[in-house]
Amino acid sequence: DGGITQSPKYLFRKEGQNVTLSCEQNLNHDAMYWYRQDPGQGLRLIYYSQIVNDFQKGDIAEGYSVSREKKESFPLTVTSAQKNPTAFYLCASSLNGYDRGFHNEQFFGPGTRLTVL
Amino acid sequence: AQTVTQSQPEMSVQEAETVTLSCTYDTSENNYYLFWYKQPPSRQMILVIRQEAYKQQNATENRFSVNFQKAAKSFSLKISDSQLGDTAMYFCAFMKLTQTGANNLFFGTGTRLTVIP
Repeated sequence: DGGITQSPKYLFRKEGQNVTLSCEQNLNHDAMYWYRQDPGQGLRLIYYSQIVNDFQKGDIAEGYSVSREKKESFPLTVTSAQKNPTAFYLCASSLNGYDRGFHNEQFFGPGTRLTVL
Repeated sequence: AQTVTQSQPEMSVQEAETVTLSCTYDTSENNYYLFWYKQPPSRQMILVIRQEAYKQQNATENRFSVNFQKAAKSFSLKISDSQLGDTAMYFCAFMKLTQTGANNLFFGTGTRLTVIP
């Protein structure tokens, strides 16, 4: 059963703590992405990775960090530097490459709801 | 920079009727893709339909179809024979292609659609 899993589904954090959100995919996709969703807004890109050991900042990377040590995994750490981390976080993956046509669509995981107490 | 605008924050439709959701975008790119994603109350992002900019023919997927007007930079979604399960947030998204293969999505702020029994 191929897909993207995110854990945990709900996460609570005290102010000043770092927390890590997990994202795993078994679709053999090259690229992975992290998005943040706030009420009344669309998804905004935090970080993305096209290949293992490489990642790029998105539009709102401040206060976040990522790693890509394995093709299947792309964890996101929300650091204490992120001033307003309460949000819904979505991970996605896709094939990569200019010539793949629309097969580079992104598939999404079920999301993690992070709340800062 | 790419921007995607959905000017209808909320819409409603009677079951079995037809509804059209609007989306406009701004880009200087000539080669790109457009998507409509659905986010039901479970918050899982589900791809509804996609359109390649180089194709003049409008995409269709069962009850869902688009009206793609490239010159006007417009990409509306028509849902025919609306069903209760269509109740969800709908996001329009733009993807530009790059030579490096990065395929980042830019999202609109969404339209909340309610299907009324």
